[in-house]
Amino acid sequence: EAGVVQSPRYKIIEKKQPVAFWCNPISGHNTLYWYLQNLGQGPELLIRYENEEAVDDSQLPKDRFSAERLKGVDSTLKIQPAELGDSAVYLCASSSHSGGYTGELFFGEGSRLTVL
Amino acid sequence: AQSVTQPDIHITVSEGASLELRCNYSYGATPYLFWYVQSPGQGLQLLLKYFSGDTLVQGIKGFEAEFKRSQSSFNLRKPSVHWSDAAEYFCAVGEPNDMRFGAGTRLTVKP
Repeated sequence: EAGVVQSPRYKIIEKKQPVAFWCNPISGHNTLYWYLQNLGQGPELLIRYENEEAVDDSQLPKDRFSAERLKGVDSTLKIQPAELGDSAVYLCASSSHSGGYTGELFFGEGSRLTVL
Repeated sequence: AQSVTQPDIHITVSEGASLELRCNYSYGATPYLFWYVQSPGQGLQLLLKYFSGDTLVQGIKGFEAEFKRSQSSFNLRKPSVHWSDAAEYFCAVGEPNDMRFGAGTRLTVKP
């Protein structure tokens, strides 16, 4: 079974440039999460999708961040324009609750963003 | 609101020695508790979880954790550490759809 796939793994951009990250969750997982992981910190939720609906985006800075999950499968997280403070690792995770709550999230390897 | 504290930022142990990583949580009811591990350049992987029942839970890779309600703790243990255990360890507390992670403890293993 393929795991959660993210791309790109690494991205270096100048500030004020746009950037996009892509995530393909595990097949059949209807819940998809985007997390932000700053250096030396634990992951912090940015947005959670149930199928194609964003059910929790309260922590997403909507002035510059956007996300979509068309067709309820893969997802894209965009930052426009990027700021120096956006340098971090962006993690995608997925889970399935079809058999009841297990709490287990399956994470991708992350996309490391460096803003210069 | 739920929160997680991992008091140790960095721990160094010798290979073969025992390990205990501390985790304290704040939660209003019986929590769902988790330990995840993140190897360098990798995503997080679930080691073990506690929902209810036996307060000593076994996980993968020889890890175990004990839930102590009176101390609001969920410490991770391993009797004999291997060099491959060097990684970042995250404790998390969560109810459905609201998981909070601690800041992590980085484990270094000395040969």
